[in-house]
Amino acid sequence: GAGVSQTPSNKVTEKGKYVELRCDPISGHTALYWYRQSLGQGPEFLIYFQGTGAADDSGLPNDRFFAVRPEGSVSTLKIQRTERGDSAVYLCASSMHGGGETQYFGPGTRLLVL
Amino acid sequence: AQSVTQPDIHITVSEGASLELRCNYSYGATPYLFWYVQSPGQGLQLLLKYFSGDTLVQGIKGFEAEFKRSQSSFNLRKPSVHWSDAAEYFCAVGASDTNAGKSTFGDGTTLTVKP
Repeated sequence: GAGVSQTPSNKVTEKGKYVELRCDPISGHTALYWYRQSLGQGPEFLIYFQGTGAADDSGLPNDRFFAVRPEGSVSTLKIQRTERGDSAVYLCASSMHGGGETQYFGPGTRLLVL
Repeated sequence: AQSVTQPDIHITVSEGASLELRCNYSYGATPYLFWYVQSPGQGLQLLLKYFSGDTLVQGIKGFEAEFKRSQSSFNLRKPSVHWSDAAEYFCAVGASDTNAGKSTFGDGTTLTVKP
């Protein structure tokens, strides 16, 4: 079946603008994760959804970052008032049930804030 | 809090030589452990994982890893490296708490394969 997909694959924006990044998980996966990967580093956890609710949002760096998953499938990561330091690859992953299970990653969205 | 250390930023091996990539973790209970590979422009691909049971885990592409609780390590090995193995490798630890979901990744080891 289809894997995790993310759109757009690349996004260039200006400092101060608002951006939305979309993730389509594997069909039937109840758990969805967002990570951020900066150059030369490993992925850094942002938020974890179980169904429609955020089970753990401890990785969101500040209140400019917000994510939703209203119907328990597609998720949108929203970044307000973008800063140059937000430039990174944003990765989405999904797993069947969560709880430490294998996570399947999408190709990521490369965000560049000028 | 869980954490992962990959001590080697960059490793170079000759094609056909053996490989070992080091990973040390910190976690209060028995962890879930993962190795991923990331090629340029590609997403993270799972090589293998350890949840419980046999501490020697076999994965795809001829990789294996051994969980050593006493050393808090989960080193990745391959007996004979191929040029196509050149990539970045990430070790990750996941919480074994059923309510937890996040994985914590190391900063990766870049593997270069010499012909």
